[in-house]
Amino acid sequence: GENVEQHPSTLSVQEGDSAVIKCTYSDSASNYFPWYKQELGKGPQLIIDIRSNVGEKKDQRIAVTLNKTAKHFSLHITETQPEDSAVYFCPGGATNKLIFGTGTLLAVQP
Amino acid sequence: ETGVTQSPTHLIKTRGQQVTLRCSSQSGHNTVSWYQQALGQGPQFIFQYYREEENGRGNFPPRFSGLQFPNYSSELNVNALELDDSALYLCASSPFGGALETEAFFGQGTRLTVV
Repeated sequence: GENVEQHPSTLSVQEGDSAVIKCTYSDSASNYFPWYKQELGKGPQLIIDIRSNVGEKKDQRIAVTLNKTAKHFSLHITETQPEDSAVYFCPGGATNKLIFGTGTLLAVQP
Repeated sequence: ETGVTQSPTHLIKTRGQQVTLRCSSQSGHNTVSWYQQALGQGPQFIFQYYREEENGRGNFPPRFSGLQFPNYSSELNVNALELDDSALYLCASSPFGGALETEAFFGQGTRLTVV
């Protein structure tokens, strides 16, 4: 949705642990929820997305869950690895005008 | 690799100067968007081009302008550079103009420093 709040702003986990990042949106009409990962020195890259007709989507160690009633969606990373360290964004808006917040800085400690 | 390429990768300019940044979109993509990312912040939408026409603009002054060419590559021009223009400038392409639910493919960005 247009306005999206993301928590936490920073997250530090031990390698092998799970990480969860949550985003809350306000627009009930929203039906597309992407997650982007930005590694240091690189542009953001889509890692997973979900549409409103689906409650959960998985891709190997990454999953996204959507709770339309509560208007929030979450990114779940299991068995975290050092290469998961990056900034994660759940932008609102649409593909032609993504609205990014400050993201979540995930640090995976070896 | 996303296939979106930007040039140059780094650039240093003096306050008051003008700069042109370039972006080649991924093959088959006709829509290009530009974003400004200050240190520690998320990318901020500048504007988008679809089939050589501006198709939406964010809250940026007119000294930020752009072009899209018939091959869908794009330029971002910034006149009268200010110190606050120092940022990472990102270009993103997508395959369908006006489509709201498709992946945006980002380039690696151009790091602009204004001194």
